[in-house]
Amino acid sequence: DAGVIQSPRHEVTEMGQEVTLRCKPISGHNSLFWYRQTMMRGLELLIYFNNNVPIDDSGMPEDRFSAKMPNASFSTLKIQPSEPRDSAVYFCASRDRNTGELFFGEGSRLTVL
Amino acid sequence: GENVEQHPSTLSVQEGDSAVIKCTYSDSASNYFPWYKQELGKRPQLIIDIRSNVGEKKDQRIAVTLNKTAKHFSLHITETQPEDSAVYFCAASVAGTASKLTFGTGTRLQVTL
Repeated sequence: DAGVIQSPRHEVTEMGQEVTLRCKPISGHNSLFWYRQTMMRGLELLIYFNNNVPIDDSGMPEDRFSAKMPNASFSTLKIQPSEPRDSAVYFCASRDRNTGELFFGEGSRLTVL
Repeated sequence: GENVEQHPSTLSVQEGDSAVIKCTYSDSASNYFPWYKQELGKRPQLIIDIRSNVGEKKDQRIAVTLNKTAKHFSLHITETQPEDSAVYFCAASVAGTASKLTFGTGTRLQVTL
């Protein structure tokens, strides 16, 4: 398996623009997590899904952020409109149902100017 | 919900010395405790984990201990090498893929020559 696949790896955009981050979890993993990492706040859980259903979105900063998981092999995290303070690395991760191990993607580095 | 505290936030050791990172958790139902290593610019990756039915687990130079009564667990790295330099995160979870991992705030380990 290729692991958790995220795109884009890097995105630079201007304030006010819409940003869409994409994630393909490892096949067979039924839980998917979106994290945001910054120097100031560390690794923050934004939202996670189990069997494509959002379980906990209490970490989503505000209404500008939304996430979807239309099927078991694809998820998106959308920011609309984006702001400079959204600049961070966004990690997607999926969890092995047997071992409980969390596998991270390589991350999407977002810069909002 | 679960709360995980991690200390120290930074740690500098000389090559060959040992390093110890400590974490405490709040939810007595937690029974899965992984440790992740994140090298600069890379994704977090699992290095070792422990479940509540054991008190200690070792893998070469890395060991983890768990004290369920006191609700704390520790990572021990012996004979440190420069390639051990990274940020280390502890986490706690209730086993089962429907649950989330709660991460500590991370420890930046620097191994000096």
